[in-house]
Amino acid sequence: GNSVTQMEGPVTLSEEAFLTINCTYTATGYPSLFWYVQYPGEGLQLLLKATKADDKGSNKGFEATYRKETTSFHLEKGSVQVSDSAVYFCALGSGNTGKLIFGQGTTLQVKP
Amino acid sequence: EADIYQTPRYLVIGTGKKITLECSQTMGHDKMYWYQQDPGMELHLIHYSYGVNSTEKGDLSSESTVSRIRTEHFPLTLESARPSHTSQYLCASSDRGFNNSPLHFGNGTRLTVT
Repeated sequence: GNSVTQMEGPVTLSEEAFLTINCTYTATGYPSLFWYVQYPGEGLQLLLKATKADDKGSNKGFEATYRKETTSFHLEKGSVQVSDSAVYFCALGSGNTGKLIFGQGTTLQVKP
Repeated sequence: EADIYQTPRYLVIGTGKKITLECSQTMGHDKMYWYQQDPGMELHLIHYSYGVNSTEKGDLSSESTVSRIRTEHFPLTLESARPSHTSQYLCASSDRGFNNSPLHFGNGTRLTVT
């Protein structure tokens, strides 16, 4: 079946450091891939998405490229801020049901 | 701004009580979902609905039940709460398939059963 695996956290970085959060997936067919972010005490918000191979999603300085050959969708940001501290979820969806399969989440802590 | 509302935000209740977690959205979305988020932050789909009078079980078995009598309302009910039900419950909605419309999440209800 379909699944998503994220790197374990927490990830602790200093402000302005480079961020990578790894995400790999297993799926049949041609899934869409997403990154969601959850700030403390809130629900999840869509951060970016990619719907086909080689697509690059980007938002708020974050980027991720849909790599079919490596079944990966790693999240990157060139210079993190304290306000980026949150839990990040990689997710996969297939078909048109709206049902998503989430990774286990990676906590990011950015220190001043 | 939140267009999907969950109440209560926090609920502490004793074992055996019946509870209903409310979820409403003002976007006219057909699809609605309930996710359970465990302390390790993993999310598991427990119920979903594609429209009025449509409800389905999700990937994770749950003793809760849902109803969808109105498009905007998707409440979740536990007939007899137990400590194992302690978790955060997130409601979400979407307009069409997610390729065209993302999931919109509420802020969640954190349930503690003592």
